[in-house]
Parts: sequence; structure tokens; C-alpha cells
Amino acid sequence: GQSLEQPSEVTAVEGAIVQINCTYQTSGFYGLSWYQQHDGGAPTFLSYNALDGLEETGRFSSFLSRSDSYGYLLLQELQMKDSASYFCAVRDPSDNFNKFYFGSGTKLNVKP
Amino acid sequence: GAVVSQHPSWVICKSGTSVKIECRSLDFQATTMFWYRQFPKQSLMLMATSNEGSKATYEQGVEKDKFLINHASLTLSTLTVTSAHPEDSSFYICSARTGRNNEQFFGPGTRLTVL
Repeated sequence: GQSLEQPSEVTAVEGAIVQINCTYQTSGFYGLSWYQQHDGGAPTFLSYNALDGLEETGRFSSFLSRSDSYGYLLLQELQMKDSASYFCAVRDPSDNFNKFYFGSGTKLNVKP
Repeated sequence: GAVVSQHPSWVICKSGTSVKIECRSLDFQATTMFWYRQFPKQSLMLMATSNEGSKATYEQGVEKDKFLINHASLTLSTLTVTSAHPEDSSFYICSARTGRNNEQFFGPGTRLTVL
């Protein structure tokens, strides 16, 4: 089966840095993705890690350690608009469909 | 960029009726589309994987006779919720994969309310 664990909620202030962790147990693994979802909206893609290490995209960075089945999303210079839910997702190549399984989501509250 | 649309964006129906939700990739061909269901304050749960021209693959616990999926072309997949009941009320989201990279593009979602 598939299991992805994330903290349920994180609170931080504007301008701060926050890290959202994700640990996973899946039958197959092809990479870890991160998605942002605002209330009532659809998820939007943030980043993807297939190999160990850090990927940086502007204020967002994502890290992966395949040996530890662990990754995190790092958000820097937090802005109010970053208040949203963040989901990690594993791409599972089993049965050739490359399905994505999502974590439980972390609600980020950014305060002034 | 890749755009996925869904129609309708919201629907209210009576218990026992069927509802069809369309998912279209507007500017790319999607060999694979995915259907998710999301209850309030919960994660996206994969329901099924839809491949053009073949039968959908359903996740464990998802009733294939209740959630009918048709992927008739490379740009259109439909999900029909048959004999809907109040417990089927949820946010249904589709996504499409281009195959070129590891990104999947999500539709805006359809909020279904069954009375």
C-alpha cells in the first residue's frame, strides 16, 4: 500500500522560513512532488525531486533523501498568499501508469 | 502551459440521479488522466486511472459500476457518478499527464452536492 505522512498544520509569520516534512512508504517510487492548494481550488504543481538533494525554484525549495524515504518543502520569505495546504505526492511506476499518491496535506497559516 | 478544464464546476442533484463530469485537456494530448476525490479538509484520494481507448483502472475500494469512467479521446475523459447518494457529495478533481515530464496538470475541480 501507499502511505505518506505530513504534519497537519504549521503556523509561521510573514518573512519567515518554514519547512514541511514528508515521509513515505510506497510499493514503488519514481519521485516526490509537491503541490499547493488554496481553499476551494485545484492543486498546483510546485516542485519535483527524482534524485537525492535539493531543488530550488525561487522562494521554494524541495529536498529528497531516497534512503530515508523522506523529503521536505522549504518556503522562504513567507508571504500572506502562501497560506494554503501543501501536499507531497509520490509517483509510483508500478503497473506502468505512473500514478500519484498524495499525503494527508499540511495547512500552512501565515500570520502578519 | 498545459490547461485542463472540468465541467461543470459545481452541480447539485437529487439522490438517485446520475451526474456526468467532463475533463478536457485543452492544449495537449493526454494519454493518461486521473480522477481524484477530495472530502473537506482531507487529501486527494486517487479513484481511478483512465487511459485513452482502454478500460479504466480503479483503486481498491472504488466501485467501478458506480463511478463510470470513459476516456474516448486523447483530450476527453468523463466520470459518471451513477445513482448518486449524499455520501457521494465531494470535490472531484481530474488531472492529466502529458508523458513528457513528471508533472500532472489538474482541472479546477467539480463540487458535487447530492441532496
